[in-house]
Parts: sequence; structure tokens; C-alpha cells
Amino acid sequence: NAGVTQTPKFRILKIGQSMTLQCTQDMNHNYMYWYRQDPGMGLKLIYYSVGAGITDKGEVPNGYNVSRSTTEDFPLRLELAAPSQTSVYFCASSYFGTGREAFFGQGTRLTVV
Amino acid sequence: AQTVTQSQPEMSVQEAETVTLSCTYDTSESDYYLFWYKQPPSRQMILVIRQEAYKQQNATENRFSVNFQKAAKSFSLKISDSQLGDAAMYFCAYRSVSTGNQFYFGTGTSLTVIP
Repeated sequence: NAGVTQTPKFRILKIGQSMTLQCTQDMNHNYMYWYRQDPGMGLKLIYYSVGAGITDKGEVPNGYNVSRSTTEDFPLRLELAAPSQTSVYFCASSYFGTGREAFFGQGTRLTVV
Repeated sequence: AQTVTQSQPEMSVQEAETVTLSCTYDTSESDYYLFWYKQPPSRQMILVIRQEAYKQQNATENRFSVNFQKAAKSFSLKISDSQLGDAAMYFCAYRSVSTGNQFYFGTGTSLTVIP
């Protein structure tokens, strides 16, 4: 039972480089989310999706892009990486319905130098 | 947007004792859920307990229980008989109905368990 799988777990990027954080879930969840976690700041929502082909901005979308071509996959693209994007990134998914909890991947620690 | 506030950045408890972590939230909605998540050093986010806003009875899961005060918009987590494995960061979360079923998280409380 894989749940939510994120890759890679760790990555170091140089300023100006680009990369894609991969996220896939096998629970047929319609909702998917990308969060970033910074020390003392909790989890901030970057983008979310309520279903294939539908995405929307969260609280901190600048510098990121997403796509949702399938129910299972929700990749996060970083263009022109900046030191401010150094963070731990979490992908999560959930069923529709307020009582349903979010299931999280194991996170990606990204450092931009 | 809804806000979730955890006013205790750090807490500590003696092993086998009880500790309460605080959480308050701001909302104008009447239908929502509240959650407590645990994040151990492994980084994995683990659901501890959930509470439905319509239910007056406080949720309980083994040694974990909540004190839900809807009027006061307060949702505290009580950990009884604390164990070394309870040491972690704890996040309070609110799930909205009106804003696309987003989750809003507090800034977290780091819990240390003293042997």
C-alpha cells in the first residue's frame, strides 16, 4: 500500500536551475496539494487540485507551477530556483469531504545554493 | 482565509505525565473538521485525531484526546501517559468547506518528552 509517493527525498539546486518534484498517489483521491514547510512557519499551501485538469493557487504560488493530467500525478515545477525556495516540500492527497484527512508523502528537502 | 494559531512553539513533559497542546482558529463557517497531526523526526506527517464541528463529544484515540470548545474556537490536544515516542512536532489543522476543501495548518508545537 504505497499511499503518497514523492521523489526525490533530497535535492540541491543551483540558483537559476529548474526541477520538477514528482508526486503520485494510488488511493484514487480527487484532491491533491503541495505544501512547503519552513521552520516556525508551519505548512503553507502552494497549489492544490480538486481533480484532473483543475488546479488553483494557494497562499504562496510565486515561482512554482503545477499540472494535473491524471488523478494519480501532481508534479510541482520550480523554474529559476532562488534561495528563498529552500524548504521542505510535501505533497498530500485527500478524498472529497471535510471529514477526510490528508495523506502526506515523506517530503522533499530542497536546498538552493 | 481561515487562520490556525498554536501559541506554544515548544513544550516539554515528563515521561508518563500528561501534557496539553493548545490550538485556536478563526472561522465564520459552521461546518468544518479539525485535525491534529504528528511529525516525528522522520518528517512523515501522521494523523493523530480528528474532530467534527457538529459533534459536541470530544474525540478520543487511546492516550490522545481533544478538548473542543466551538464557541471559543479552541481545539486542544491532551496526551496522557506520555511516552518517549510521542516526542515530535504537532500541527493543528482546519479543513474548510468553502475554499475548495483546503487544509489550514498552525505553526506547530515541538514536544519534548523527558525520561
